[in-house]
Amino acid sequence: SAVISQKPSRDICQRGTSLTIQCQVDSQVTMMFWYRQQPGQSLTLIATANQGSEATYESGFVIDKFPISRPNLTFSTLTVSNMSPEDSSIYLCSAVDWEETQYFGPGTRLLVL
Amino acid sequence: GNSVTQMEGPVTLSEEAFLTINCTYTATGYPSLFWYVQYPGEGLQLLLKATKADDKGSNKGFEATYRKETTSFHLEKGSVQVSDSAVYFCALMSGGGADGLTFGKGTHLIIQP
Repeated sequence: SAVISQKPSRDICQRGTSLTIQCQVDSQVTMMFWYRQQPGQSLTLIATANQGSEATYESGFVIDKFPISRPNLTFSTLTVSNMSPEDSSIYLCSAVDWEETQYFGPGTRLLVL
Repeated sequence: GNSVTQMEGPVTLSEEAFLTINCTYTATGYPSLFWYVQYPGEGLQLLLKATKADDKGSNKGFEATYRKETTSFHLEKGSVQVSDSAVYFCALMSGGGADGLTFGKGTHLIIQP
């Protein structure tokens, strides 16, 4: 299994600013992903964080808005850029272990005013 | 594309009742199937999984069997407790984990004493 931590756990931000969320895994994993969970909704995949190369984004998500880094096998960041109230959500990092099981971090609760 | 359909909630049961949450899926190839649980204010926890047809995943008294013929992965528990109150998500993963998870919309379970 993999244990995943995220920082910050929550934040309140002003519109127009940016926030970078960090995700750390306690062991080497194959894949890392970023999801968004809007209030009362299910999870939507934002992108796959690729080690050492550009992330792969799902339809409706773009690099300028959600730049992602993954410098090594255990760490990734997601930036939410030029925020608006519509970006208020829970952002979750996940990782797939060598048994192809996906584990989730505790999430970052973001409120944009 | 892949999709997961699960019964809409909320589902309200009395303590010690029998629980079934239906989940059906559409996918190419042979996906792995998962149930995740999200307790109030917390992140997603893996509840159980099954990676091939006729596999049964089980954990904490919950069970689900991978039924390829009916493309289903229904979650069951013989006797629910108040502490089982949470949101339950059915999900699938194909491509060995390279494509992320596809989630159902979630089922809010409320257990009354």
